[in-house]
Amino acid sequence: SQELEQSPQSLIVQEGKNLTINCTSSKTLYGLYWYKQKYGEGLIFLMMLQKGGEEKSHEKITAKLDEKKQQSSLHITASQPSHAGIYLCGALDTGTASKLTFGTGTRLQVTL
Amino acid sequence: SAVISQKPSRDICQRGTSLTIQCQVDSQVTMMFWYRQQPGQSLTLIATANQGSEATYESGFVIDKFPISRPNLTFSTLTVSNMSPEDSSIYLCSVLRDRGYEQYFGPGTRLTVT
Repeated sequence: SQELEQSPQSLIVQEGKNLTINCTSSKTLYGLYWYKQKYGEGLIFLMMLQKGGEEKSHEKITAKLDEKKQQSSLHITASQPSHAGIYLCGALDTGTASKLTFGTGTRLQVTL
Repeated sequence: SAVISQKPSRDICQRGTSLTIQCQVDSQVTMMFWYRQQPGQSLTLIATANQGSEATYESGFVIDKFPISRPNLTFSTLTVSNMSPEDSSIYLCSVLRDRGYEQYFGPGTRLTVT
């Protein structure tokens, strides 16, 4: 089965600072999803990456998938309190191309 | 994107009872899934809800404990049966328009079993 490891597990940054969250897979990724979860709530879809070397951006968040398709990074530029939450990466199951296996999550706090 | 609603948003239930959670999507979708998020943990897939046929369950989850219905392409229910405190979790439904596309999640149902 596929395993996803996220690092760091938690992160506290000062408002305005940049940060990076990593997601490493035990197997080649067929597709990689990034979500944000406010504490105790549902998941907000951020981005989906499928091709090696692919990079996508939305507002101040950029996600990349490495060429070997085993690692993805999520970079936030000039962090704001609204960025606080739990960030989850999810790997698309290669057999069904629909089910997701999730990483361990990264808890982000942004201080003023 | 898809607008997904879940009912109830939260509930506190007694041990031994059952709770049915509803998931409604604003448009037809190919696939619907049910996930569980135990306290402090990541998400685990319970089953794929198949329209017009029995759900496909993941290892460790069984139909008697988590019966699922999907009568049409916009609606599904998950029942948590004979609940115990270990069932206290957030239950989330997700939808996929088609393979290879974005997958969206509902707001979740927070269940506490006493």
